Amino acid sequence: GQQLNQSPQSMFIQEGEDVSMNCTSSSIFNTWLWYKQDPGEGPVLLIALYKAGELTSNGRLTAQFGITRKDSFLNISASIPSDVGIYFCAGQMRAGNNRKLIWGLGTSLAVNP
Amino acid sequence: DTAVSQTPKYLVTQMGNDKSIKCEQNLGHDTMYWYKQDSKKFLKIMFSYNNKELIINETVPNRFSPKSPDKAHLNLHINSLELGDSAVYFCASSQGLAGGGGNEQFFGPGTRLTVL
Repeated sequence: GQQLNQSPQSMFIQEGEDVSMNCTSSSIFNTWLWYKQDPGEGPVLLIALYKAGELTSNGRLTAQFGITRKDSFLNISASIPSDVGIYFCAGQMRAGNNRKLIWGLGTSLAVNP
Repeated sequence: DTAVSQTPKYLVTQMGNDKSIKCEQNLGHDTMYWYKQDSKKFLKIMFSYNNKELIINETVPNRFSPKSPDKAHLNLHINSLELGDSAVYFCASSQGLAGGGGNEQFFGPGTRLTVL
């Protein structure tokens, strides 16, 4: 199935460091979503973006909808141990009536206290 | 007040058996989904229902049959289980299909299926 290019695949950082990850696509999207999955849990929505160029924050998290509508970025500032998990991007384009989400492969984040 | 709930949380069974996973959402959403997450953590959409009508049916073996008795429930029945069916299955729901919002999907806690 179709999937987004998400990078990096994994990160191992020290507590307090900032983190950046991104997703790119060959297709134009109308919506970008960022999720976090804790071990043994389902993905939880962090940030939703609906307009090209939109920059949205949620606490220490900031995400941007790329101007080209083909990419999105997620930044985490001053990481803490509970930021550990897998971060997924997901995009949605107007494809008929099903509006299926296209998912990235995830960025696995480990934080060293 | 669980928004999207799934049962069971864990399911261990023998190859060839038939099993079901249940999902319920109390968010008043119109659309529900089933995903399969394999060992590499990729989230693969399987099915989607909108108001009890099937709208997404990805390339999934017909041993998998979703059933939506009402818009708050979407169950997944699997016949003749195979080793490759071992994975975590997630149910999700969203408000609807309209663009510009309401597309955010909310996930259940997952069902870890192990086929021996």
